[in-house]
Amino acid sequence: GAVVSQHPSWVICKSGTSVKIECRSLDFQATTMFWYRQFPKQSLMLMATSNEGSKATYEQGVEKDKFLINHASLTLSTLTVTSAHPEDSSFYICSAKGSNYGYTFGSGTRLTVV
Amino acid sequence: GESVGLHLPTLSVQEGDNSIINCAYSNSASDYFIWYKQESGKGPQFIIDIRSNMDKRQGQRVTVLLNKTVKHLSLQIAATQPGDSAVYFCAEGATGFQKLVFGTGTRLLVSP
Repeated sequence: GAVVSQHPSWVICKSGTSVKIECRSLDFQATTMFWYRQFPKQSLMLMATSNEGSKATYEQGVEKDKFLINHASLTLSTLTVTSAHPEDSSFYICSAKGSNYGYTFGSGTRLTVV
Repeated sequence: GESVGLHLPTLSVQEGDNSIINCAYSNSASDYFIWYKQESGKGPQFIIDIRSNMDKRQGQRVTVLLNKTVKHLSLQIAATQPGDSAVYFCAEGATGFQKLVFGTGTRLLVSP
C-alpha cells in the first residue's frame, strides 16, 4: 500500500530558529501534498496544498513567509517553519495524494519551540 | 478554526458493544467522505470512505452511513475492542477540489 514517511518525528528548537520537516511518498508519486497543523485535543487544520513544481496554496490566516513549503519532486515536500516561536509548537502532519492513490498521511512531527 | 478552544467529545463504551460516532459536515458540495482513526502521537489512519452517490458502505466491523439531506455522517463500529480506542475524525472533500477538511473529532474510549 501507499506509504508516506515524515521526518523528524519530533524536534525541539530554540525560539527564533528555523526547522525543516520532510514528507516523502515512498512507493508512489505524489502529485499533491498537504500540510496540516494540529493543536492538542483539536482537529487537523489544513495549512497549505502544494502541487509538484508549483507554488503552494495557503489557507486563509496561514503566513506563507513563515511556513515555507517546497514540493520540488513527486516524492518529496518540505515544510520550513521560519523564526519559530513558542506559539508555533504543534503537531504537524503531511498528506500525499497520487493519481491512483487516495490521501495517505505521514506519522506527524511534534515541534516544540523553547 | 471552529474547534479552537474546544475539547473533543468523548464516547465511552464497553468492550463488545457497538459504537456509533457522528459527524455533521458543512459543505453541501462535498461528495467524498472519509473516516480516520488517530492514535495518540500518530497520523490519521484510513478506516473507510463513501461517495455521495451511496448512503451506506460496509467494511470489516465498520459501516459508514451518509445522510445528504441533513449533511450527516456516521461511523458504526461493531463489537468494539480496546484497540479501537482512539480519536475518530470525519473528513470531507469535493470533486474538483483537492483538499480534505476535517471535522472536530470524537474520542472513543473502550473499557475491557
